[in-house]
Amino acid sequence: SAVISQKPSRDICQRGTSLTIQCQVDSQVTMMFWYRQQPGQSLTLIATANQGSEATYESGFVIDKFPISRPNLTFSTLTVSNMSPEDSSIYLCSVEDDRNYGYTFGSGTRLTVV
Amino acid sequence: DQQVKQNSPSLSVQEGRISILNCDYTNSMFDYFLWYKKYPAEGPTFLISISSIKDKNEDGRFTVFLNKSAKHLSLHIVPSQPGDSAVYFCAARVRGSARQLTFGSGTQLTVLP
Repeated sequence: SAVISQKPSRDICQRGTSLTIQCQVDSQVTMMFWYRQQPGQSLTLIATANQGSEATYESGFVIDKFPISRPNLTFSTLTVSNMSPEDSSIYLCSVEDDRNYGYTFGSGTRLTVV
Repeated sequence: DQQVKQNSPSLSVQEGRISILNCDYTNSMFDYFLWYKKYPAEGPTFLISISSIKDKNEDGRFTVFLNKSAKHLSLHIVPSQPGDSAVYFCAARVRGSARQLTFGSGTQLTVLP
């Protein structure tokens, strides 16, 4: 299955600023998925990123707040814009796992907004 | 509306005993179920899965049971080991759909030595 390198692993940011999270996959994949896990909550899908097209956002998430880039089949970024303390979460990228019908996840980015 | 529910946020078990983690779902279109394990500062890792055409799948110490009529699945870990201490997420998907997984809120398992 694919190996995903995600960075940064954690960051503490001032409110009103933006943070860009990067995910690099060791193989070409059609779709990449971005999830958020708020404290004590489940993993919630933010958006699906396809190479060469606009990302598809889930209800409650908008492009202005979470712009996504997908310049090629092995790389994607998620930006958390104009951050507030409510954005403090773990952000995870993932790709489909060839061995099953699930996902392989990156190690996550723990974001704290102060 | 939570389509996948894990009603127990935490579970403590003695080493060597059985751990049983439960998961309920409401969407009858789900036909594939997975369990993930997550350690702090790491992403979730795949543990075991089951298709809706089966009622049991076993892999070493881990067994998943599916009761479709009750829309319930459970993960059994026997024997439990301290290294099993982690958050366990139940997830479900509809194969052939938008390839999205719907996750439960997780259960923190603590295996006591």
